[in-house]
Amino acid sequence: AQTVTQSQPEMSVQEAETVTLSCTYDTSENNYYLFWYKQPPSRQMILVIRQEAYKQQNATENRFSVNFQKAAKSFSLKISDSQLGDTAMYFCAFIYNFNKFYFGSGTKLNVKP
Amino acid sequence: NAGVTQTPKFQVLKTGQSMTLQCAQDMNHEYMSWYRQDPGMGLRLIHYSVGAGITDQGEVPNGYNVSRSTTEDFPLRLLSAAPSQTSVYFCASSESGRGTDTQYFGPGTRLTVL
Repeated sequence: AQTVTQSQPEMSVQEAETVTLSCTYDTSENNYYLFWYKQPPSRQMILVIRQEAYKQQNATENRFSVNFQKAAKSFSLKISDSQLGDTAMYFCAFIYNFNKFYFGSGTKLNVKP
Repeated sequence: NAGVTQTPKFQVLKTGQSMTLQCAQDMNHEYMSWYRQDPGMGLRLIHYSVGAGITDQGEVPNGYNVSRSTTEDFPLRLLSAAPSQTSVYFCASSESGRGTDTQYFGPGTRLTVL
């Protein structure tokens, strides 16, 4: 069975500071993909970043970067220079082979002015 | 492109009633899927389809039916609504369902079953 665990239900960060959201997963598969999705109050799901398991290099997208530790099955998201617009729920997600996505329970991030 | 559209945005049902949540996409995507989102939980996959005429079960399929007669549409049917089906429902699509694809999500339908 595939599981995704986000152990931080809620986090706060001051504007312009850096915050790291944690995610661990469990799988016996070797080839898979990991994602971070953002869900603002509008409810729209937005892809933030994607990591391919067979790539050792950590993915980055502007202010967003990941720390992917395959052996530890850990996939954390770092947000640098936090902005008010980053306030949202963040979901870690996982897919192997294709077709079935598994999501974590989410971390609510509040960016304070 | 309208992307992924869902109707209705809100719905209130009584226990035992049936209804269909509509989902459509105009991106010619082969892969479409339905999720439910409950408080304190992430999205859970209900059913998915890899092309017209092909559907399969996800993590939580009980109480829901789907069909895929066209590439564009993927309706979700609740046969006999139960309070446990109170949730926010999301439809999503991507080119093929692979991890390299970007999933596009609809705006969601908030369903309340009394």
